Amino acid sequence: DSGVTQTPKHLITATGQRVTLRCSPRSGDLSVYWYQQSLDQGLQFLIQYYNGEERAKGNILERFSAQQFPDLHSELNLSSLELGDSALYFCASSVMSGQENTEAFFGQGTRLTVV
Amino acid sequence: GQNIDQPTEMTATEGAIVQINCTYQTSGFNGLFWYQQHAGEAPTFLSYNVLDGLEEKGRFSSFLSRSKGYSYLLLKELQMKDSASYLCALTGGGADGLTFGKGTHLIIQP
Repeated sequence: DSGVTQTPKHLITATGQRVTLRCSPRSGDLSVYWYQQSLDQGLQFLIQYYNGEERAKGNILERFSAQQFPDLHSELNLSSLELGDSALYFCASSVMSGQENTEAFFGQGTRLTVV
Repeated sequence: GQNIDQPTEMTATEGAIVQINCTYQTSGFNGLFWYQQHAGEAPTFLSYNVLDGLEEKGRFSSFLSRSKGYSYLLLKELQMKDSASYLCALTGGGADGLTFGKGTHLIIQP
């Protein structure tokens, strides 16, 4: 158990809908990262938050957004869903902002299926 | 940007040794990670290299050469449970997230 909690574990929804994925980082970790992993792609970095502030953006679509709350949990919002958004979405957390030698701990992921 | 290349798939025999290579092109990075990922599960940390050279951790070792843009993960005394994907990732270089390669799917045969 990495200490990172993601809910829900599975989500099935229809095209055009909106969903929210939730992540609770390890106790004491200030950074939260979101990744998307589809069958034909590796882990794609979406976005990072550090202590409530957006820190870095990767390949995140405009239909997707995220935030980190004062208690450091984070939510990833996916809207106007398309079939191609079906993937495993991972959250990871680390102590520091990412520039230092800090291991990122991954949650078990949310498997999103868009039908 | 950062570009990472790994072999797609490798096969090895239980009890043997296997080396998984990772080459990269980047304008700069802080360090290189190796993660293990079983199908449908979360990646788990294996090793981290920031300086050139070999880092040993039990049956797993990782090597980095910055001048050659090259790293490898060495797995010894292979066990069936080592069948998994092995992901090479860079940290730093403008993006604070980890940039992952597509991973090497390692199949262990009896």
